[in-house]
Amino acid sequence: QQQVKQSPQSLIVQKGGISIINCAYENTAFDYFPWYQQFPGKGPALLIAIRPDVSEKKEGRFTISFNKSAKQFSLHIMDSQPGDSATYFCAASSGAGSYQLTFGKGTKLSVIP
Amino acid sequence: DAGVIQSPRHEVTEMGQEVTLRCKPISGHDYLFWYRQTMMRGLELLIYFNNNVPIDDSGMPEDRFSAKMPNASFSTLKIQPSEPRDSAVYFCASSLAPSGGAFFGPGTRLTVL
Repeated sequence: QQQVKQSPQSLIVQKGGISIINCAYENTAFDYFPWYQQFPGKGPALLIAIRPDVSEKKEGRFTISFNKSAKQFSLHIMDSQPGDSATYFCAASSGAGSYQLTFGKGTKLSVIP
Repeated sequence: DAGVIQSPRHEVTEMGQEVTLRCKPISGHDYLFWYRQTMMRGLELLIYFNNNVPIDDSGMPEDRFSAKMPNASFSTLKIQPSEPRDSAVYFCASSLAPSGGAFFGPGTRLTVL
């Protein structure tokens, strides 16, 4: 199975709060897990990515947590800001031949003042 | 670098007409992907190339869709004849293996009347 399941579909967070988006995958061959951020009218932009040899990766206010045994990974946005309001996509790919990304359905995040 | 360049940014055409979407990947990237984004189906991979060679076109919905990459700096996605259900945003993305991270262009919003 090539699916990546993402939840929630939409999320409303107060400014300064923590936004958490979860993804689960089935294909154990996946070895690269990026998150993309998309603003209306723009293409998805690579935000942060992780490989399964680490359980967590942090870049500024953005953190990926990865649970290989559960086949789950999540994006945490600390101190969420109105400028973070966008649609977030998790994705996964396998380096064993293709590098093509399989995307989750997306989470529309709204950060309210 | 200017990033991935797509043209046109918007295309409105009538059913039955031929549509050609164009993409210039990031210089040096050896993978090129065409994605389609709709509200119902999210981001779907249509086809991808490695070193200008089509590797997997299993996502191309029908024979009406075709893609070419005549050289490392140019690719086209053609729909002939176009149908209203082809209306979507089409993204081109490129990546440099084995990093796995794909960089997306701004997209072409296609409307077929």
